[in-house]
Amino acid sequence: DAKTTQPPSMDCAEGRAANLPCNHSTISGNEYVYWYRQIHSQGPQYIIHGLKNNETNEMASLIITEDRKSSTLILPHATLRDTAVYYCIVRSSYSSASKIIFGSGTRLSIRP
Amino acid sequence: NAGVTQTPKFQVLKTGQSMTLQCAQDMNHEYMSWYRQDPGMGLRLIHYSVGAGITDQGEVPNGYNVSRSTTEDFPLRLLSAAPSQTSVYFCASRQDGTAYNEQFFGPGTRLTVL
Repeated sequence: DAKTTQPPSMDCAEGRAANLPCNHSTISGNEYVYWYRQIHSQGPQYIIHGLKNNETNEMASLIITEDRKSSTLILPHATLRDTAVYYCIVRSSYSSASKIIFGSGTRLSIRP
Repeated sequence: NAGVTQTPKFQVLKTGQSMTLQCAQDMNHEYMSWYRQDPGMGLRLIHYSVGAGITDQGEVPNGYNVSRSTTEDFPLRLLSAAPSQTSVYFCASRQDGTAYNEQFFGPGTRLTVL
């Protein structure tokens, strides 16, 4: 599975959009991009995933560049409850088993 | 549904003791896995299972054993605890191995080995 690179930390003002980047320049054609977040030592929580089209759900939007080498997770109206570590993961639809590998993630701080 | 449950929530062991961390899911998921998370670090995969009776090693399997006798349960055994195994342990499950489904995590077990 491809490796991802994320900034170690970011901050955002409450009520503004939080844009979290992820670089996955070695991604291959059958690999999906996943985003999870972990709020203060709780278990990680799934946010969204996509292959090549942009995706949106009730939590966030995922923008994947045309060459698929990077993506951005967008939290449209960040709140204090969005303070968490955000993990970007890529994995193949053909990968065996539960080999989802987490990196170090981005620590997002929302300031009032 | 209770989702993924883990017991105990907290545990303190002495070096050399053994114990089993319990994990159960009620979503009839085929895939289950165990991760550990050290302070300030991301999650590292210990062991995983693609179905009852089938397990395999992850990134950091040494010092841990697993078994999967039922779909619901996936216990993690520490054979002889060491201080280096002090960590937070998360169990996770998902429906199957395709990339089309999300992984659900339990609340974690905080283990301290003295």
